[in-house]
Amino acid sequence: TQLLEQSPQFLSIQEGENLTVYCNSSSVFSSLQWYRQEPGEGPVLLVTVVTGGEVKKLKRLTFQFGDARKDSSLHITAAQPGDTGLYLCAGSPIENNDMRFGAGTRLTVKP
Amino acid sequence: DTGVSQNPRHKITKRGQNVTFRCDPISEHNRLYWYRQTLGQGPEFLTYFQNEAQLEKSRLLSDRFSAERPKGSFSTLEIQRTEQGDSAMYLCASILTEGEKKETQYFGPGTRLLVL
Repeated sequence: TQLLEQSPQFLSIQEGENLTVYCNSSSVFSSLQWYRQEPGEGPVLLVTVVTGGEVKKLKRLTFQFGDARKDSSLHITAAQPGDTGLYLCAGSPIENNDMRFGAGTRLTVKP
Repeated sequence: DTGVSQNPRHKITKRGQNVTFRCDPISEHNRLYWYRQTLGQGPEFLTYFQNEAQLEKSRLLSDRFSAERPKGSFSTLEIQRTEQGDSAMYLCASILTEGEKKETQYFGPGTRLLVL
């Protein structure tokens, strides 16, 4: 069982549709990060959320950190083919300094 | 380029051979992480260094794996007697920490290992 559970695992949508991916845990995190990873490359940071209930927007991407700091969501509005990639959430549980990742959501946006 | 760099980017080796990877973190970052990522999975934590001290090792890090960060700057990850199951992307990340405060970690491009 992963510390961070991401859903869905795979998502294939048409250009222009909206989508939400989820990152859930039973542990409390001091912060959570969202990354996007292209094939053959390292993950690239999109955002860090720190405060429970926090909402951050990055153009068409909206990130939310749960009030209890155990979960997070990423919402993409009007998806574009350039959004295609593996979306990873990651964080350190408050009881240690490990950085743990979810298994990722693989998003495909078809033109 | 002031980001995290990793060398080599790709490595093909035969089973039983030893391999060594290098990571150069962002210069002011005092913490360095190693991860392993297999196809379709998120990165799995292997170990991390605070300056030159190796503070934690995952149970994934068998006796054949060893990591060093001798001067608190670059780090090396060595795999001895490689096995086909070691084939994966090996990622390095660095972060600046001050007391309990942690900044964001930044990843290198990874070293993709293929063991034949």
